[in-house]
Amino acid sequence: GNSVTQMEGPVTLSEEAFLTINCTYTATGYPSLFWYVQYPGEGLQLLLKATKADDKGSNKGFEATYRKETTSFHLEKGSVQVSDSAVYFCALGRSGGGADGLTFGKGTHLIIQP
Amino acid sequence: GAVVSQHPSRVICKSGTSVKIECRSLDFQATTMFWYRQFPKQSLMLMATSNEGSKATYEQGVEKDKFLINHASLTLSTLTVTSAHPEDSSFYICSARDPMLYGYTFGSGTRLTVV
Repeated sequence: GNSVTQMEGPVTLSEEAFLTINCTYTATGYPSLFWYVQYPGEGLQLLLKATKADDKGSNKGFEATYRKETTSFHLEKGSVQVSDSAVYFCALGRSGGGADGLTFGKGTHLIIQP
Repeated sequence: GAVVSQHPSRVICKSGTSVKIECRSLDFQATTMFWYRQFPKQSLMLMATSNEGSKATYEQGVEKDKFLINHASLTLSTLTVTSAHPEDSSFYICSARDPMLYGYTFGSGTRLTVV
């Protein structure tokens, strides 16, 4: 079945450092891929998405490219801020049409120190 | 973008009682909504898919008699945790497909504590 594997944290970085959070997936067909962010005590917010191979999702300085050949969707940001501290989830749409729910990775807790 | 409202945000109940959690799509119609459960410092696990006007589809291992789902209108789905026990304490989050973004919009979650 479908699964998502992402690096486990916590990941601790200094402000303005470069960020990479790895995410790989196993799926049949051509799923959509998502990154969600969860701030303490809150629900999930969509950060970015990609719906087909080689698509690049981007938002708020974060980027991720849908790499079908390596089944990856790594999240990157060139210069992180303290406000980026949160838990980041990589997720897989279980079908191309979006009729099913999402399969989530375990989440990566990111801590940015000033 | 689309907004999903979830209520209550926190609830404490006694063992053996039932708790209802509401999930509303505020500015769009959602024929399908999803209920997730999140354990502390862990990922979200899909519990069930709520379908408007029909029975919910439960994931393997989720007790349908324990977690009752009703989706009576295009903007409201409810999850009722029946005869709650301390092990049901968790963070429950609902979600609906965002028709504009081709993504999924999430509610803010409900922290359930059973004492």
